[in-house]
Parts: sequence; structure tokens; C-alpha cells
Amino acid sequence: QKEVEQNSGPLSVPEGAIASLNCTYSDRGSQSFFWYRQYSGKSPELIMFIYSNGDKEDGRFTAQLNKASQYVSLLIRDSQPSDSATYLCAVELYNFNKFYFGSGTKLNVKP
Amino acid sequence: GAGVSQSPSNKVTEKGKDVELRCDPISGHTALYWYRQSLGQGLEFLIYFQGNSAPDKSGLPSDRFSAERTGGSVSTLTIQRTQQEDSAVYLCASSGGSNTEAFFGQGTRLTVV
Repeated sequence: QKEVEQNSGPLSVPEGAIASLNCTYSDRGSQSFFWYRQYSGKSPELIMFIYSNGDKEDGRFTAQLNKASQYVSLLIRDSQPSDSATYLCAVELYNFNKFYFGSGTKLNVKP
Repeated sequence: GAGVSQSPSNKVTEKGKDVELRCDPISGHTALYWYRQSLGQGLEFLIYFQGNSAPDKSGLPSDRFSAERTGGSVSTLTIQRTQQEDSAVYLCASSGGSNTEAFFGQGTRLTVV
């Protein structure tokens, strides 16, 4: 079983819609959760992190964490074509500073 | 430097040759990771260094792959007797402590011909 699971997609949404990206993880000792965006041919870059249950909002992005269900999601409101990329979910085990990455979900935002 | 630096950015090598890829992490970061990414695929974990602890080598695909981290800073990933299936982008990342993000270098694109 993989530590972090993501649907590979592609997920296609029209411009202006809400894109919902989901991630599940297997280890209940997971402490910190990160969403990275990776454009084609580029390295991953951090867009959001979340540590506590609930929602965390940053501009058009909202991260949602449910530790009981071992589920973390990323919502992108008012999706733009420039949001088209692969989104990687990463999980850090408590105190170990070791990251596990999902395989990523490819998002296509259609103009 | 301000970020994670990897060299070379591109490397073309002949099948059977050895290659060395270098990663210079952010100063002070204790954790260093190597990942491999084939075209259109996700990140494949290779190896993880944390401070002075023994590295986690569980992701290395074969004994042709090895990595070192000298003085807790610069790391070198060595691939011996390269094969065409080794062609990929090799990404290095570092992080500074618990609950902090991992920062990625720009990667080394390895092509084995």
C-alpha cells in the first residue's frame, strides 16, 4: 500500500469553476500535509500546507484536512488556465521530517 | 545560495557509463532527499538523509545506485553502468526541520543513449 494516494487524473474543469483535488494517506502518525504544484518541465513548488483539522484558506486556494478519515484535499476557486499543472500531495511523518509524495493529479483548466 | 542547487542541469551519457549527480541543499537544512521522475510520471523516492542518521536507502532501485552526503551538506547520487531505463529527471530536495516544507532543486535531466 502506498503511503499517499492520489487520483492521477486528468481532472478537467472549465475556467471559473472550482477544482477539487483529493489525497488519502495511510499512516496515522502523519503530522503535516503539503500541496505542491508542478508545471510541465519544472520542479514542484509549495502552494499550501496544513497541520490542523479543518480548512485553511489562502487566496483562491483552500486546503482541507480530516485526520480521522486520513484525507486531505485542495480546492481551487475561480480556476484559471494558468492553474493547469500537476498537483502533488505530500505528507510528513511526525518528528521524522520525512516526506512521502503522492503520484500527483493532473489538472486541466479549459478556457 | 538561496535555494537548492543541482548540477549538471542536463547530462547525456552512453549506456554502461557511470554518472554523478550533485545536490547542494539550502544551508542549514538537515534533511535531503533524492527523487526520480520519469516523463509524465510522479515522484519516485530514492534516498533520504537526515542529519547524522543512517540514510534511508529503501527507494534505490538497484545496487547500481548509491548516494553520499558529505559533512551533512552536499550530496552526490552515483549511477553505475547506466541503462536506458535510468533516463529521467533526478530531483533533489531539502528541508530544515519538522513541519517545514521541502524545497526542490531544478533537477538534473539524465539521458542515457
